[in-house]
Amino acid sequence: NAGVMQNPRHLVRRRGQEARLRCSPMKGHSHVYWYRQLPEEGLKFMVYLQKENIIDESGMPKERFSAEFPKEGPSILRIQQVVRGDSAAYFCASSPAGPYEQYFGPGTRLTVT
Amino acid sequence: QQQVKQSPQSLIVQKGGISIINCAYENTAFDYFPWYQQFPGKGPALLIAIRPDVSEKKEGRFTISFNKSAKQFSLHIMDSQPGDSATYFCAASIRGGSEKLVFGKGTKLTVNP
Repeated sequence: NAGVMQNPRHLVRRRGQEARLRCSPMKGHSHVYWYRQLPEEGLKFMVYLQKENIIDESGMPKERFSAEFPKEGPSILRIQQVVRGDSAAYFCASSPAGPYEQYFGPGTRLTVT
Repeated sequence: QQQVKQSPQSLIVQKGGISIINCAYENTAFDYFPWYQQFPGKGPALLIAIRPDVSEKKEGRFTISFNKSAKQFSLHIMDSQPGDSATYFCAASIRGGSEKLVFGKGTKLTVNP
């Protein structure tokens, strides 16, 4: 049973470019969470999605960031016009329906030059 | 009120010793408290979790102690091994809500051989 998959694992973007991060949840999981981890910091919640719905985006910056989880395909976190402060590790986690544990992927490390 | 405070920031223990990491929270609505283990370059892995209706949970060498009145919980690693060297994060969430995890800032554990 494959775990949570994220790609790319490493992503380098120049300031002003767009970054697209993908997350495929574990089989049978319909809930996806995105978290951001800055160096030497804990993880910060960004957004919680179910298929085709954003449930909680209270941790998402108001501008430049968006997320989706379509009926088919992976969840995508999109960052437009990246700035140096967006450099971080972005993790997604998935859980099955209901109050269950969250299982994390290996993360995408975004570097903005 | 949404914070989870974790201490110490770093911890060095000899092989065979006991590692103790502490966390405190303010929001009494939190009712799920997991611990995650993260190795460099990897995603967090769920280690053990507790609900506030129990005061202690043990899984192998790992034990969570929970003090509801003090709003504190701790992770004890018995017979610590060099392979336990990692960063440990406590977290908290509210079941039935969005269940987003609020993380502590992490404890970097080093177990010397």
